Amino acid sequence: GESVGLHLPTLSVQEGDNSIINCAYSNSASDYFIWYKQESGKGPQFIIDIRSNMDKRQGQRVTVLLNKTVKHLSLQIAATQPGDSAVYFCAENGDSGYALNFGKGTSLLVTP
Amino acid sequence: GEEVAQTPKHLVRGEGQKAKLYCAPIKGHSYVFWYQQVLKNEFKFLISFQNENVFDETGMPKERFSAKCLPNSPCSLEIQATKLEDSAVYFCASSPPASGITDTQYFGPGTRLTVL
Repeated sequence: GESVGLHLPTLSVQEGDNSIINCAYSNSASDYFIWYKQESGKGPQFIIDIRSNMDKRQGQRVTVLLNKTVKHLSLQIAATQPGDSAVYFCAENGDSGYALNFGKGTSLLVTP
Repeated sequence: GEEVAQTPKHLVRGEGQKAKLYCAPIKGHSYVFWYQQVLKNEFKFLISFQNENVFDETGMPKERFSAKCLPNSPCSLEIQATKLEDSAVYFCASSPPASGITDTQYFGPGTRLTVL
């Protein structure tokens, strides 16, 4: 069936390095993509989103890249900080239009 | 409010008991979504509302789960006769009025339901 998945379940980076978290999706009908950060015991926190009419969007220290040809989404975090340690989820709207389909999550660990 | 509020933070129920969870969306938001997260992993969509109307209930286990969003009241998710597998964190999210497009969903802190 249609699904959203992540290539890497865990990612360990050193403080100050750049991080890249990848996500594959399979539903060609998806036109909205979003990244969330979830810290332990908290709800998902919005990071950045992108629509299918774009292939790149930048925020503060974060960039989302969308490759519709290969159905791939990535989140780049510049100069990763210890506070960036969390689980990151990608999500897309798939067939539902409004409800989000989440991927499995990637745990990012930032070491000093 | 400026954030999605959920109560209670934790809820413990014996198997077979009823559980009721509440959500207050961000003021001005028209859409409310309920998701279930099991074992800190995948999120499962349950139901969404556009104001007080059910918008999409394709994820709801209809036998025991019900939800409402009434005017001037918090939205609620109720589970009748809870089962062990209902143990999860239940998240509510809200999003602004959308003109036919998906918009950003902002999540609450969640309610952790433990069924013993």
